[in-house]
Amino acid sequence: EVQLQQSGPEVGRPGSSVKISCKASGYTFTDYVMNWVKQSPGQGLEWIGWIDPEYGSTDYAEKFKKKATLTADTSSNTAYIQLSSLTSEDTATYFCARDSGNYWGQGVMVTVSS
Amino acid sequence: DIQMTQSPSSLSASLGDRVTITCRASQDIGNYLTWFQQKPGKSPRRMIYGATNLEDGVPSRFSGSRSGSDYSLTISSLESEDVADYHCLQSIQYPLTFGSGTKLEIK
Repeated sequence: EVQLQQSGPEVGRPGSSVKISCKASGYTFTDYVMNWVKQSPGQGLEWIGWIDPEYGSTDYAEKFKKKATLTADTSSNTAYIQLSSLTSEDTATYFCARDSGNYWGQGVMVTVSS
Repeated sequence: DIQMTQSPSSLSASLGDRVTITCRASQDIGNYLTWFQQKPGKSPRRMIYGATNLEDGVPSRFSGSRSGSDYSLTISSLESEDVADYHCLQSIQYPLTFGSGTKLEIK
């Protein structure tokens, strides 16, 4: 059974960084890209970017190029997103989603608060 | 970037009604259109992929169709469990872009 298990909720101070994980199981991690999606409170879905775990190659939506960094650890089948220079605009739920979106993590709530 | 214009933003319908949600693409996306259902506090669930293909396990009352640059998700007979937000996604070109979402409620 394919599962994407994300880490727990995060609280970050303005200007700080947080790193969220997404541990994959039930399939070959390097066979599929991993997408990351943001959902601000009460809002729709925004695509942040993807990472190819096999090669480490990445692509980002323009607005997230200076905000998010995607990485992957093939030894632990885990994808990561680091969000830097946090502001209130980063308060949201962040999802990982495999390839075409047929499998999603449960989401991680990130709250930016002083 | 490809813009996905989704309508309506909210919809209230009665049990048993036929419900249709539409996304219009600003450029040709072929059949690279996916529909997701999202219930409160949950992750999105893929319902339709390739514009018209029903995901395994999704009730047959759901269907997807295309007319030119307009893509529709139809529920043939609304049930209470269908209350959710619905999102469309184009995946022909990066950046991937979602519609703004439709909140479906029971009247």
